[in-house]
Amino acid sequence: QVQLQESGPGLVKPSETLSLTCTVSGGSISSYYWSWIRQPPGKGLEWIGYIYYSGSTNYNPSLKSRVTISVDTSKNQFSLKLSSVTAADTAVYYCARVLVLPTATGAFDIWGQGTMVTVSS
Amino acid sequence: QSVLTQPPSVSGAPGQRVTISCTGSSSNIGAGYDVHWYQQLPGTAPKLLIYGNSNRPSGVPDRFSGSKSGTSASLAITGLQAEDEADYYCQSYDSSLSGSLYVFGTGTKVTVL
Repeated sequence: QVQLQESGPGLVKPSETLSLTCTVSGGSISSYYWSWIRQPPGKGLEWIGYIYYSGSTNYNPSLKSRVTISVDTSKNQFSLKLSSVTAADTAVYYCARVLVLPTATGAFDIWGQGTMVTVSS
Repeated sequence: QSVLTQPPSVSGAPGQRVTISCTGSSSNIGAGYDVHWYQQLPGTAPKLLIYGNSNRPSGVPDRFSGSKSGTSASLAITGLQAEDEADYYCQSYDSSLSGSLYVFGTGTKVTVL
């Protein structure tokens, strides 16, 4: 079955760019939407953005100025870049597949295990 | 800040029925967007529990059920079991002048007494 795995540095310095990659295995990245979601320690979930396999994107308005999500179909991967990070960006970052329903509301049906990213000097 | 409000905690004895509410507004649940529910066991990633208001993915026990009415939705767990102790989140879509985005509820911790 389809599995997702996040990878990237666990420690990022303030003001630098956080970069993570999600590798999709057991299935193709094509024909689906893919998303990034984060969860600060002890807090709730926050949607960051999504990308369609063709490259079209949609971002959370509160993060839009700092976020870039890209896709590499040849590697079955999609990536997240978050610039100018601060301690408030410390969180577990999850990648997830979007299950698009006929009503056009998406649910996140497959999740990676998550990767903890700490912003600290 | 979450635009979907859930009670911080609910509890029940084994075998009992508990419900978790998810209250939104006219820009999300009330606009007709579906509600989905996730279960997050300690130290693990969230798992899709209910999609499209009331549908269960394959493998989810029928003890879990969802409903939606107006600007709110609910998750019910019947025959509560120790393994159901977890955090639960609702999720929908919000569209307003501020923009459009997927939104999550504030989360509810279910404790089995």
